[in-house]
Amino acid sequence: QLVLTQSPSASASLGASVKLTCTLSSGHSTYAIAWHQQQPEKGPRYLMSLNSDGSHSKGDGIPDRFSGSSSGAERYLTISSLQSDDEADYYCQTWGPGIRVFGGGTKLTVL
Amino acid sequence: EVQLVESGGGLGQPGGSLRLSCAASGFIFSSYEMNWVRQAPGKGLEWVSYISESGGTIYYADSVKGRFTISRDNAKNSLYLEMNSLRAEDTAVYYCAREMTTVTIFDYWGQGTLVTVSS
Repeated sequence: QLVLTQSPSASASLGASVKLTCTLSSGHSTYAIAWHQQQPEKGPRYLMSLNSDGSHSKGDGIPDRFSGSSSGAERYLTISSLQSDDEADYYCQTWGPGIRVFGGGTKLTVL
Repeated sequence: EVQLVESGGGLGQPGGSLRLSCAASGFIFSSYEMNWVRQAPGKGLEWVSYISESGGTIYYADSVKGRFTISRDNAKNSLYLEMNSLRAEDTAVYYCAREMTTVTIFDYWGQGTLVTVSS
């Protein structure tokens, strides 16, 4: 079964960096994913697609502070130089035959 | 500029029906696959349904299969979700989302419309 696992919460200080993790279920380690950001009371926003080799393609207007990387079944989103408006929920997303799947989301708090 | 604007949300009765719409602009609607995604209050995102460019291929999440119907009108640049046999657990903000042409990833989202199922 295709499942994406994310830690429920993360925190980091203003100006620091943070690395969020999305883990693909067994047997799906080569899958590409997408990262989406959802700020409070807003709709989601596409950040980037991320392949198993770590190559990624960002959405329109996404700053260089956002980057992606991969290792095995893990897909990472790194945000550097944290700003207050980076405080948001972050979701990973992938797909399988006839389905689209989201991770449970990580709530990022900027201290 | 790509825009997706949902409408049609509101209060629905348990066992009742609602029809959501998503008006698309800023891109060639007929060239893109589309989806509905929902988010229950305080919860994460849940994929609901998919429709291909022509409407010939459709998928549903198990939680809505047999109750919801996705459709599109390419002449009107519009996506729809017919929701029947509503349940309390269908209460959520419903988003329409566009899929990229090259990979099955959502690259644009609407702002959402709230559906509340309650008597």
